[in-house]
Amino acid sequence: NAGVTQTPKFRVLKTGQSMTLLCAQDMNHEYMYWYRQDPGMGLRLIHYSVGEGTTAKGEVPDGYNVSRLKKQNFLLGLESAAPSQTSVYFCASSYNAYSPLHFGNGTRLTVT
Amino acid sequence: DQQVKQNSPSLSVQEGRISILNCDYTNSMFDYFLWYKKYPAEGPTFLISISSIKDKNEDGRFTVFLNKSAKHLSLHIVPSQPGDSAVYFCAASASDDKIIFGKGTRLHILP
Repeated sequence: NAGVTQTPKFRVLKTGQSMTLLCAQDMNHEYMYWYRQDPGMGLRLIHYSVGEGTTAKGEVPDGYNVSRLKKQNFLLGLESAAPSQTSVYFCASSYNAYSPLHFGNGTRLTVT
Repeated sequence: DQQVKQNSPSLSVQEGRISILNCDYTNSMFDYFLWYKKYPAEGPTFLISISSIKDKNEDGRFTVFLNKSAKHLSLHIVPSQPGDSAVYFCAASASDDKIIFGKGTRLHILP
């Protein structure tokens, strides 16, 4: 099993460009999450999904959109990238709200 | 407003001794708590969890204690080993499905 796979691993964007980060899980998990990690800020929840076709806002949703068209995939979109979105992005999945999260290895995004 | 707080950015402990990492929370609706460990350039990995109906959960060298009245939990690692050097995150969730993390504590195990 691959677990949680994030694509791409690294990306450099110019301000104003758009991109989509892909998260795929093969554990048949219902719940999926996108977090960002910044120095001194820990892991902050951007958006999450409790099932196919559902999405909800987390702590820092502004500037991001998400879609969960298929149960195994959770996409994070940046429509117009800003330098403040330079971060490491982690995707995670879990069976339900009371089971541990399984994380991917992250996507390092730099916006210049 | 930070709902999950880890007030110690870093902690150094001698190999073989006990490591105690602390976490405080403000949301009384939280009913499930987790600890994660993170090495550089990797995703966090799950260590141990506890539900609000318990006050202690043990798994090998790792024990988590929950004090609901104080809204405080702690992770004890005994004995500490070199491979325990990492960043440790405390996390909490409530019935609204959000899992909120603290800022993390960097643990250094000294030889």
